[in-house]
Amino acid sequence: DVKVTQSSRYLVKRTGEKVFLECVQDMDHENMFWYRQDPGLGLRLIYFSYDVKMKEKGDIPEGYSVSREKKERFSLILESASTNQTSMYLCASRPTGNPYGYTFGSGTRLTVV
Amino acid sequence: EDQVTQSPEALRLQEGESSSLNCSYTVSGLRGLFWYRQDPGKGPEFLFTLYSAGEEKEKERLKATLTKKESFLHITAPKPEDSATYLCAVLVPNTGNQFYFGTGTSLTVIP
Repeated sequence: DVKVTQSSRYLVKRTGEKVFLECVQDMDHENMFWYRQDPGLGLRLIYFSYDVKMKEKGDIPEGYSVSREKKERFSLILESASTNQTSMYLCASRPTGNPYGYTFGSGTRLTVV
Repeated sequence: EDQVTQSPEALRLQEGESSSLNCSYTVSGLRGLFWYRQDPGKGPEFLFTLYSAGEEKEKERLKATLTKKESFLHITAPKPEDSATYLCAVLVPNTGNQFYFGTGTSLTVIP
């Protein structure tokens, strides 16, 4: 069964901490995405990557960075966590081609205190 | 501006009471419309892809349809286990494989 695995289901971090969220997919997909999901706002794209070492900003990249050193792994980094970054973070991947849907991970619920 | 709007925001149904969820879009050059189901605290799970107006897809009690401006997710004789949030998303050309999501419809089916 194909999978997108997010390393943590729940995280609690302190304001100002550097936070790493990890995502690994086993489907050899070229494209990977990080979204955050908030009530009433839906899914908002933070960053995506269409190839190793490539990254593109999404709609809300401020306060975040990403790393993709290997095809299967896409990391989201919160440089200095703030309380307004408390959210559900979802990783997704999809192959290149028209049109394939996303496969999502199970999500990381991050609370910044 | 490209937009995806879902309605209603929330829907409560009695078990067995059929209904429809709506996803309207103002995207030019649609390349695909996708329906997902999301259970609380979990990531969305893929349900259907629709590519062109007039297309229909079915899975158990769910049926998705597509017109040039909107998609419907019809739920026939729902059961409590159908309770979830249903998301639609569209794939837009020239966006680098980016999807635009609606904010979802939260469905509750009461036994």
